Amino acid sequence: GAVVSQHPSRVICKSGTSVKIECRSLDFQATTMFWYRQFPKQSLMLMATSNEGSKATYEQGVEKDKFLINHASLTLSTLTVTSAHPEDSSFYICSASSGQFQETQYFGPGTRLLVL
Amino acid sequence: QKEVEQNSGPLSVPEGAIASLNCTYSDRGSQSFFWYRQYSGKSPELIMSIYSNGDKEDGRFTAQLNKASQYVSLLIRDSQPSDSATYLCAVNMDTNAGKSTFGDGTTLTVKP
Repeated sequence: GAVVSQHPSRVICKSGTSVKIECRSLDFQATTMFWYRQFPKQSLMLMATSNEGSKATYEQGVEKDKFLINHASLTLSTLTVTSAHPEDSSFYICSASSGQFQETQYFGPGTRLLVL
Repeated sequence: QKEVEQNSGPLSVPEGAIASLNCTYSDRGSQSFFWYRQYSGKSPELIMSIYSNGDKEDGRFTAQLNKASQYVSLLIRDSQPSDSATYLCAVNMDTNAGKSTFGDGTTLTVKP
């Protein structure tokens, strides 16, 4: 149980384009999903918290107009990196939690984004 | 002071030894504590959760929680080379409604 998937696992795009990353909870309903970014050899950085049906809460310093988050259902959240630039290249990881797991977060496998 | 602090590492132990990973946290009202393992290039995976003072054992892993000292640890017995990874301590602070605060991680290397 508690499986989270992400798609795509890897994406290469040109500077200026937008990229959408999907995060799905496969066998539970995720009331809350989290989006993280991790640069090589650095710690996880929380970008935003999203609850189903409401606007995401962004961490300080994260541009909400650049990183669009939609959590339209209890099993799906999407992160869109708009007008991507090379400095957005990173490992993006989502996690999902449900009250039934005492707020444990289960992580997706991550999406590696490379912006050329 | 960081909200969640871990040994800076790296930590190196020989195969078969006990690896001890430590974590302290600043919010005394914290309720939920987690240990994740992250292999290089991969996302974190949950190893253990602990909510009450004392020890919790799962196979070769034992989590220890002391809320009075604001301290949580992870012991790995009979360490194997496959345990080599970065271990992340995560704490759900009282007011964060499920949001975990992560430490920077301790990198463990188990040498054959």
